[in-house]
Formats: sequence, structure tokens, C-alpha cells
Amino acid sequence: QKEVEQDPGPLSVPEGAIVSLNCTYSNSAFQYFMWYRQYSRKGPELLMYTYSSGNKEDGRFTAQVDKSSKYISLFIRDSQPSDSATYLCALPSPYQTGANNLFFGTGTRLTVIP
Amino acid sequence: NAGVTQTPKFRVLKTGQSMTLLCAQDMNHEYMYWYRQDPGMGLRLIHYSVGEGTTAKGEVPDGYNVSRLKKQNFLLGLESAAPSQTSVYFCASSKGIKGTGERNEQFFGPGTRLTVL
Repeated sequence: QKEVEQDPGPLSVPEGAIVSLNCTYSNSAFQYFMWYRQYSRKGPELLMYTYSSGNKEDGRFTAQVDKSSKYISLFIRDSQPSDSATYLCALPSPYQTGANNLFFGTGTRLTVIP
Repeated sequence: NAGVTQTPKFRVLKTGQSMTLLCAQDMNHEYMYWYRQDPGMGLRLIHYSVGEGTTAKGEVPDGYNVSRLKKQNFLLGLESAAPSQTSVYFCASSKGIKGTGERNEQFFGPGTRLTVL
């Protein structure tokens, strides 16, 4: 079983829609949760970072963590064509060995249609 | 401040050829990483380094070698390229702060698109 699972999509929505992107994870030891955004032919960039359960809001973006279900979500309100990208969830390794390695989801490709 | 840079941006190899991908960072980061990204597979860690002179294997190290002779550089080598190594390769770096409550943000380069024929 993979550490992190993510629906690859693709997901296509009209401009202004609310988008929900999701990941599940298997190890309850994960404590930190990240979302990266990757534009076409670019490297991933950190979008949001959260710790523990609950919601974290940043402008039109909300990251939600439900540790009891091992489920994390990223919501995008009032989606814009500029939000078209691949979104990857990333979980910092809870293990003591390694170099702060990240467990990545496979990414969900989002297209926002004007 | 260029962040993480990678050279070359594109490369086409024939099976059996060798090449080296260069990654450089100017953020004085301790940790550096090499990933490959394939459709449906996401980002997979090839090798990583926790400091100058150190390297370690990641999830998919076979067929690759790395070296970190200088803190700011991390080289990825393919000794005998195979079509299965056709991929987009990303280098990343991070501060390397350990312990709870610390960010683990990795900063990525723009990628190298490699095709092995």
C-alpha cells in the first residue's frame, strides 16, 4: 500500500467553481501536510502547509486535515483559469531516518475553463 | 537569487550512452534531492544528500549515481541509459531542519526532460 494516495483526475471545472482536491494516507504518524502546485513544464512550488487537524485558509485556498479519517483536502474558491495546474499533496516523513523526505501523491491535474 | 537551477533543460540519448545532470542551488541548503516524474507515478525519489560529501539511496536508485562534492551542487549520472529512464528529472533542495514544528519545504528546479531512444 502506498503511503499517500491521490485521485489523478483530470478535473475540469468552469471558472468560478469551487474545487475540491483530496488525498488519503495510511500512516497515522504523519503530522504535517503540504500542497504543492505544479504548472505545466515547471517544477512544483509549495502552495500551503498545515499541521494537525482542522482548516487553514489562505486567500481563495483552504487546506483541511481530518486525522481521524487520514484524509486531507484542498479547496479552491472562485477558481480562475490561472489555477489550472497539477496539485500534489506531500507529507513530510514521520521517520527519524532520511533527509526530511516527502511522500508525494501522484497529483491531480486541474483545468479551469474560462 | 536564482534558487535551484538545472542543466540541461532537454536531452535525447541513445540506449547505452551516459550523461550527467547538474543541479545547483544558491540558498545554502544542506539537503538536496533528485526525483523523477512519470505520468501516473508522481514524483519518485532517486537519491538524496544530507550534506556535502554525503549521498543516500531513495525509492528508485537503480541505474543512477550521484555525487555532492560541493554543498551547492548535486550531480545525477546515468552510466548506461535505458529507455525506461525516459522521464522528467527534478532536483530539489531544503534547509534540512529536523525536529517537530519545522517546515520541510523543498524548493524545486525547473526540470530536465530526458528521452532515451
